[in-house]
Amino acid sequence: GAGVSQSPRYKVAKRGQDVALRCDPISGHVSLFWYQQALGQGPEFLTYFQNEAQLDKSGLPSDRFFAERPEGSVSTLKIQRTQQEDSAVYLCASSLGSFNQPQHFGDGTRLSIL
Amino acid sequence: QKEVEQNSGPLSVPEGAIASLNCTYSDRGSQSFFWYRQYSGKSPELIMFIYSNGDKEDGRFTAQLNKASQYVSLLIRDSQPSDSATYLCAVNNNNDMRFGAGTRLTVKP
Repeated sequence: GAGVSQSPRYKVAKRGQDVALRCDPISGHVSLFWYQQALGQGPEFLTYFQNEAQLDKSGLPSDRFFAERPEGSVSTLKIQRTQQEDSAVYLCASSLGSFNQPQHFGDGTRLSIL
Repeated sequence: QKEVEQNSGPLSVPEGAIASLNCTYSDRGSQSFFWYRQYSGKSPELIMFIYSNGDKEDGRFTAQLNKASQYVSLLIRDSQPSDSATYLCAVNNNNDMRFGAGTRLTVKP
């Protein structure tokens, strides 16, 4: 079956531009997670949805970061007024939904801010 | 102190040997534990998960959990060059997942 799909795979933007990253989770997966991964580091939690409800956004680094999942399926992570320190790989993961279930990752979006 | 600690490596083992990867965590409320493999430039791939103390085996992989010591490990038997990757330990408490920085494993032919 289809896995977690993320687009675009690569994104280059100039500092100050807004970007939007898309995640299409595994069909039927209730929970969706966004992570940021810097080079040589493990993924860092950004935010978590259960269906359309954003239950935890404590990992978002600033108010320039915004995520939504309006219909409980596809999610978008938006970064406004991008800064160079936003350059990273953004990973999306989904899980069946009950707590502590394994999370399955997409291929990520590599964001480079010039 | 980081919440999830792993030796960054690199850990180098010869082909056919046992590779032992270790992880300690600080949150005593953690309920589920995962090992992910990540090839360079690729996304993390789930290879093992464990919820209870003791050992869990799946093919060449064995996960070991000791909640009292806050310690989880991964053993890879009969290591192959294709096992060369970074292995991420992840610790979950009610969907609050924390990752270690990963251990880089190299299996030499």
